[in-house]
Amino acid sequence: KQEVTQIPAALSVPEGENLVLNCSFTDSAIYNLQWFRQDPGKGLTSLLLIQSSQREQTSGRLNASLDKSSGRSTLYIAASQPGDSATYLCAVSRYKAAGNKLTFGGGTRVLVKP
Amino acid sequence: GAGVSQSPSNKVTEKGKDVELRCDPISGHTALYWYRQSLGQGLEFLIYFQGNSAPDKSGLPSDRFSAERTGGSVSTLTIQRTQQEDSAVYLCASSPSRGEGSPLHFGNGTRLTVT
Repeated sequence: KQEVTQIPAALSVPEGENLVLNCSFTDSAIYNLQWFRQDPGKGLTSLLLIQSSQREQTSGRLNASLDKSSGRSTLYIAASQPGDSATYLCAVSRYKAAGNKLTFGGGTRVLVKP
Repeated sequence: GAGVSQSPSNKVTEKGKDVELRCDPISGHTALYWYRQSLGQGLEFLIYFQGNSAPDKSGLPSDRFSAERTGGSVSTLTIQRTQQEDSAVYLCASSPSRGEGSPLHFGNGTRLTVT
């Protein structure tokens, strides 16, 4: 059974510092890995999707890397801003036919202090 | 609509009552998912609809839970004889296809409280 772990569970940084969020998964046979952001009382917003054949994806200040063989992904957020405060979740899809049937990690709650 | 719409946003019900939660996906999205988010269990997959195929119900926790999707659009999640452990936020999401390169779009969820 796939298990996804995110460490740390919570992180507090001053504005301007780079953020590094970690995600690990036990079964390397994944189809894709996704990073989401969740604001309090809201649903999830998709940030980045990395196919299993890819090593990284970038969008603006966000960069996500994937090392499938070691079961790890890292989300980097450059020059953090107070608006980046949210919970970040990673999730993996097992195979193509499963679509977005995802196994989620527990999330990392981020606070960026002005 | 512009995004995935869920109703109601909040539902308080008494133990033993039935509840229905509604999801309107983004127009044209063929795939629809229900997830549950609770403090103890995190985010869990419940059920997945893809086009006209039989749904993947492998995540439903018990036979008290059921879901249908009418006309390939709106979906209803029904919980019969609710229990306190059913209290959670129920999230609906849709995507244009199975998921190859198609990220999920989530609604804001229905917060269910069973008293």
